[in-house]
Amino acid sequence: QKEVEQNSGPLSVPEGAIASLNCTYSDRGSQSFFWYRQYSGKSPELIMSIYSNGDKEDGRFTAQLNKASQYVSLLIRDSQPSDSATYLCAVNVDNYGQNFVFGPGTRLSVLP
Amino acid sequence: SAVISQKPSRDICQRGTSLTIQCQVDSQVTMMFWYRQQPGQSLTLIATANQGSEATYESGFVIDKFPISRPNLTFSTLTVSNLSPEDSSIYLCSVDEGQGHEQYFGPGTRLTVT
Repeated sequence: QKEVEQNSGPLSVPEGAIASLNCTYSDRGSQSFFWYRQYSGKSPELIMSIYSNGDKEDGRFTAQLNKASQYVSLLIRDSQPSDSATYLCAVNVDNYGQNFVFGPGTRLSVLP
Repeated sequence: SAVISQKPSRDICQRGTSLTIQCQVDSQVTMMFWYRQQPGQSLTLIATANQGSEATYESGFVIDKFPISRPNLTFSTLTVSNLSPEDSSIYLCSVDEGQGHEQYFGPGTRLTVT
């Protein structure tokens, strides 16, 4: 059973702080890794993808991948109340769409 | 990324009836996916729909309950049959694009069964 786990929420951070979201996955052969943001009542929106070990930065978002530790994280710098949402980690196990596995999600609340 | 639309956006259905959800993409795609998101839960893949072949269902989902059509490369339908209150969920279609087959989602269909 391929599993993706995320730290339990809700995670509350003050406005302007760094929010750190974590994800681990069970299948060592996983190829691609994604972070989705889902606002209440909306569909998931892709915000970051990462394929190789290390950091990938896009604006206030940084994704970090460590395949040896089977660990993916998302850092949100200068958190804003508009970042309050559920963040879903997703793993594509073998680079085919039908092996996409989502984690349970972490609910982030950024307090003004 | 592809623009995906779904119809209806929401519906309230009676127990025992069926609902057909349509998914339209603005470009041709090989694979389309149907997910279910139960209240407060993450996404669960129902099936993968390829044009010209039978859909591939995940464990726990069967064709009699969730028949899928894929008549062309831009369109798919999911029918949820013999509805029960446990079917009350959000149903999402998605397509994959890009290097890592990133998935992009439609706006979803919120189904309530009474």
